[in-house]
Amino acid sequence: ILNVEQSPQSLHVQEGDSTNFTCSFPSSNFYALHWYRWETAKSPEALFVMTLNGDEKKKGRISATLNTKEGYSYLYIKGSQPEDSATYLCAFGGAQGGSEKLVFGKGTKLTVNP
Amino acid sequence: DGGITQSPKYLFRKEGQNVTLSCEQNLNHDAMYWYRQDPGQGLRLIYYSQIVNDFQKGDIAEGYSVSREKKESFPLTVTSAQKNPTAFYLCASSIFRGSNQPQHFGDGTRLSIL
Repeated sequence: ILNVEQSPQSLHVQEGDSTNFTCSFPSSNFYALHWYRWETAKSPEALFVMTLNGDEKKKGRISATLNTKEGYSYLYIKGSQPEDSATYLCAFGGAQGGSEKLVFGKGTKLTVNP
Repeated sequence: DGGITQSPKYLFRKEGQNVTLSCEQNLNHDAMYWYRQDPGQGLRLIYYSQIVNDFQKGDIAEGYSVSREKKESFPLTVTSAQKNPTAFYLCASSIFRGSNQPQHFGDGTRLSIL
């Protein structure tokens, strides 16, 4: 069974702080790594899909990096705002049979205090 | 607006009863997925479908059934064989098959046992 770990489980920061969290995944048979933002009472929203080692993607104040050789990805939020409060999910896509499947981590719940 | 519609938002099941959760998408996506979320756990894949009239079991398919008779519809039936059905269920779709495709999610259905 594939294991995708996210840390920390939850995080409280002040408005304006920059923050980051981690997703660890198997370093073998890698195909893709996804990040999603899930706000309360809404549906999860795709942030990034990364496929190449060393990939860096950016969307506004949010960016992500990928290291497939060591099996981790970081998500960074610069200058956190209250509207960034959400649970951030990462998901690993493997290259073996059934490659359509994603394995999700448990998420990091971010709370940004005004 | 294009998107994924799940209904109902809340559903109650009596012992021994089958219930069906609806998922409709107007995004013209080929692939569709059903996930289950339990407290403290990541999203777990129940079933997925890459194309009409085709579907595969995910990691926790026991006690569930699906059909894909139309591209836009992927209903999930929770049968009486599913002994612990209380959970939050999310439907998703992606434009093509493949774990490098971002998934678009519905708002979810919360199922409870009476």
